[in-house]
Amino acid sequence: SQQGEEDPQALSIQEGENATMNCSYKTSINNLQWYRQNSGRGLVHLILIRSNEREKHSGRLRVTLDTSKKSSSLLITASRAADTASYFCATLLSGTYKYIFGTGTRLKVLA
Amino acid sequence: DAGVTQSPTHLIKTRGQHVTLRCSPISGHKSVSWYQQVLGQGPQFIFQYYEKEERGRGNFPDRFSARQFPNYSSELNVNALLLGDSALYLCASSRITSGGAHEQFFGPGTRLTVL
Repeated sequence: SQQGEEDPQALSIQEGENATMNCSYKTSINNLQWYRQNSGRGLVHLILIRSNEREKHSGRLRVTLDTSKKSSSLLITASRAADTASYFCATLLSGTYKYIFGTGTRLKVLA
Repeated sequence: DAGVTQSPTHLIKTRGQHVTLRCSPISGHKSVSWYQQVLGQGPQFIFQYYEKEERGRGNFPDRFSARQFPNYSSELNVNALLLGDSALYLCASSRITSGGAHEQFFGPGTRLTVL
């Protein structure tokens, strides 16, 4: 079973707007990673945030992590048509080497 | 540096056959993981190997097996294929960051279709 759930399942915005997607998980984690996937191809690693971190930035990406609420958010600022993809969060379960993925958010950025 | 590579890109098999998928990790990465992604869902963990030893296994039947070679490349084998095995099979290689975090990078995947 998948422990992560992304919200919303689908998101459609205009180019230039910001996109926010959320991820919730159920058990203790070592870290959380966000990935992008275009049209059923391989996953592109976006950002890793450790369980003792609260916020990280990478270019137009901002990730937050709230371990008390077992949730994370990914913010993409000034979105572009090329950002159209599915976005997944993956959590590394504490004490294991097993990553659990959520069901993904399908983002569509309209030009 | 080259990323994670997988072969073949696409594969069509019939029920009952056997398939072998191959993966080469990023240079310097000693850990390889395999995932199955069915259309419309997130990837599901199958195996992880580190230094040729199995370090983790997901909830998959014994028809699925894997191994890792001395050069850290890996093979995923699936026997007695079922229609439900049709999926994108993803390989990921991992490294430990300078901060001690386990970071994972994926290959482009192998699209398996079972008829």
